[in-house]
Parts: sequence; structure tokens; C-alpha cells
Amino acid sequence: GAGVSQSPSNKVTEKGKDVELRCDPISGHTALYWYRQSLGQGLEFLIYFQGNSAPDKSGLPSDRFSAERTGGSVSTLTIQRTQQEDSAVYLCASSLVWLAVDTQYFGPGTRLTVL
Amino acid sequence: AQTVTQSQPEMSVQEAETVTLSCTYDTSENNYYLFWYKQPPSRQMILVIRQEAYKQQNATENRFSVNFQKAAKSFSLKISDSQLGDTAMYFCAFRFHGGSQGNLIFGKGTKLSVKP
Repeated sequence: GAGVSQSPSNKVTEKGKDVELRCDPISGHTALYWYRQSLGQGLEFLIYFQGNSAPDKSGLPSDRFSAERTGGSVSTLTIQRTQQEDSAVYLCASSLVWLAVDTQYFGPGTRLTVL
Repeated sequence: AQTVTQSQPEMSVQEAETVTLSCTYDTSENNYYLFWYKQPPSRQMILVIRQEAYKQQNATENRFSVNFQKAAKSFSLKISDSQLGDTAMYFCAFRFHGGSQGNLIFGKGTKLSVKP
């Protein structure tokens, strides 16, 4: 079926505004992951979901970041009061189940630019 | 904390030749998984190859193979008969076998250019 999709593909916002990034995992995938890719930090893990619950939120960089997943499918990553250091590509991935051996399939990412 | 190191920020290779990308990692765990992902300019990360730490045999996928040296904590990727479409960023990644940490831990990446 279709792969992981993310929207928008690009987002430009002003400092201090809130943004929402959306991820549609592969149908039937129960595990979902958010990563951030920036020039200075490389690829950083943010949060993952098993179904609708997020057992590990340790990667979220600040309390301005939050994520939710409803119906075991779509997930949104929300960044409140955006800062310039939030500029990055936000990648979403999903896997069939939460098992280390299971392949994570990535979406094309959302490029966020904070002016 | 687990770390993954890719010591070659950029590499280039002539089309049809062979190139090896290096990766080392640091962990005290015995069971884990290692991956190589490819990210072309389109940004979509694609799994290239995967290795289970408990397997001694090196994984191969067509023109891609790995040299997994568990004692040395080394996991290099060999690309044979390089093609122009292999031009991309390559990321080495580590994942625990179990526990509550489900995420991939990535290296900084190696930018590979295949030249005609």
C-alpha cells in the first residue's frame, strides 16, 4: 500500500507562532516514530508511539514540543512558540509492530523554517 | 549512552567501482541490531541493509554487503559496482534488542557521490 506520508512538506513560520506537523503511517503499522534532522545535531529521536500511547518522551527537546496519536493511526507533532533553533527537517517513521528487528519506514519529512 | 560514529563526512567513487563506508559504535549490550539507511536528495530515508548482532554471518543485499566485527564494534558498508543512483547520504544506525528504547540511534552520516 502507500508509504508513510507527511504534511506539509515545507512550512515557513514566524518566531513565536505554533505549528502542527502531521504524519500518516503505513496502514496497519502500530508503532510510529518522530525524528528531527538538523545540520548541527544530525538525526535525533524525539518520541515514539505504541498504538496511541507514548512510552518514551525523553527525546522531546523542551516542553514546547508535544505529540499525540489518535485511533492508532495519524500523529501530529505540535511545536508551540517556535524558535529559530527549531528549524529542521522533521521525519516520521512507522513499523508494523514495536520490535527491534522490525524495519522502520520513513516519510519524506517536513522542512520547518522559523524566521 | 550508545553512540554511533561515522568518520567519513564525504566520499566519492567512480561509477562501477567499489566503495566502503565506515561505522563504529559503542554499547555495553550484547543483543542489538545495526542498520544502514540511504537518504537521497529527495529526503526519503530507505533501509539498505540490516544486521542482527547475534548472527556471525555478514548480511548482503545484492550489491550491498556489510563487514560486521562485533568485538571491534565495527559495521562497514561495501557498495560494489557503484551506480549513479547510489549518490546519497548514508546513515549507520543502532537499535536495542529490547527494553523501552525503541528508537534508532544514528551516526552523522557520510555523503557519497558517485561520479560518471
